[in-house]
Amino acid sequence: ETGVTQSPTHLIKTRGQQVTLRCSSQSGHNTVSWYQQALGQGPQFIFQYYREEENGRGNFPPRFSGLQFPNYSSELNVNALELDDSALYLCASSPAPLEEAFFGQGTRLTVV
Amino acid sequence: AQKVTQAQTEISVVEKEDVTLDCVYETRDTTYYLFWYKQPPSGELVFLIRRNSFDEQNEISGRYSWNFQKSTSSFNFTITASQVVDSAVYFCALRGTYKYIFGTGTRLKVLA
Repeated sequence: ETGVTQSPTHLIKTRGQQVTLRCSSQSGHNTVSWYQQALGQGPQFIFQYYREEENGRGNFPPRFSGLQFPNYSSELNVNALELDDSALYLCASSPAPLEEAFFGQGTRLTVV
Repeated sequence: AQKVTQAQTEISVVEKEDVTLDCVYETRDTTYYLFWYKQPPSGELVFLIRRNSFDEQNEISGRYSWNFQKSTSSFNFTITASQVVDSAVYFCALRGTYKYIFGTGTRLKVLA
């Protein structure tokens, strides 16, 4: 176990809806990264938050947004859901941006 | 650009056979880290090994061994005497700065 907790574990949403995924980072970790893993693919970097500020972003549209809270937990928000957003969403926390990341078990999102 | 290639999509072996998973990477960074992760059906990425770009020593951990060769930009993973519990998807990843670049993964099936 990595100490990184994600909720919910599974979720089904309808196209066009909005969704919020949550991540509790490991104790002492101030950095959270989010990844999208489509079926049969490797995880793709969405963005990273460090001390409540976005610290880097991958090639994802603005409808993917995030937040990091003072306790360093994080949310991933996706607006206007599309069918292609169906994936496993992984959260990873680390002690600092360049340090090793520890991954949670993921949230499996299905968009119908 | 950074890239990780895992050319083997799926490998099937019979229990007790040795198996090697290939990983080739591309990066212009002089300092970088390479990783291997195991992903069981539950979805969580399980950390197996980290190797930095300045350490080309091969490593052995029980039935697992890793061969890092900068000259060929490869970081291959060998499982000796495979077991059914080794069945999973294995990802090779590269980290230059703050984000991980994953390969597409190799699904290993170990048959009893």
